[in-house]
Amino acid sequence: AQTVTQSQPEMSVQEAETVTLSCTYDTSESDYYLFWYKQPPSRQMILVIRQEAYKQQNATENRFSVNFQKAAKSFSLKISDSQLGDAAMYFCAYRSARTGNQFYFGTGTSLTVIP
Amino acid sequence: DAMVIQNPRYQVTQFGKPVTLSCSQTLNHNVMYWYQQKSSQAPKLLFHYYDKDFNNEADTPDNFQSRRPNTSFCFLDIRSPGLGDAAMYLCATRRIGTSYSNQPQHFGDGTRLSIL
Repeated sequence: AQTVTQSQPEMSVQEAETVTLSCTYDTSESDYYLFWYKQPPSRQMILVIRQEAYKQQNATENRFSVNFQKAAKSFSLKISDSQLGDAAMYFCAYRSARTGNQFYFGTGTSLTVIP
Repeated sequence: DAMVIQNPRYQVTQFGKPVTLSCSQTLNHNVMYWYQQKSSQAPKLLFHYYDKDFNNEADTPDNFQSRRPNTSFCFLDIRSPGLGDAAMYLCATRRIGTSYSNQPQHFGDGTRLSIL
């Protein structure tokens, strides 16, 4: 199974500032998909952003963007203009394009937004 | 709104007493997943259905079973819950078309299972 590593168990950011969450993964495959999910306390996990490995351009969704470094197997999430509602657990996930169905999650980063 | 619904939100059972958690979806997705998530840990995939095809993860204990009677519903059965099975159980769905794609999973709110 692929390994996804999130080395920051906890992070904090001042409201309106920018924060970057780290994610690395281990795979021998060349075609795969990467995701960032957000899980607010006691609420459902929702997709934040996704990236196809064959795309060189980094994905962007409003205030959320990624820095995808395929050679380094790195997939960090940048949150700009942080808002109180961004406080949550963030999970990085990997899915093979070949074998398809299984998602492999990192252990998560708990983000606190300080007013 | 189309969604993934898990019932109940909180479930308490006794040690060794069978328990069933349910998941329903109105998304008409063909893949349904069950994850176990313990505190401060990553969600751990237990098994998933691709239509009627059941796929069990190699390290999922035999104590855990699943049923998918139709597209909309999927159940997680824990035959003899132990204290170590106390966790949040997440259901997720995903749509697969003619080829694998970057379609994400859609999650329910989860069921928090406590064992007395």
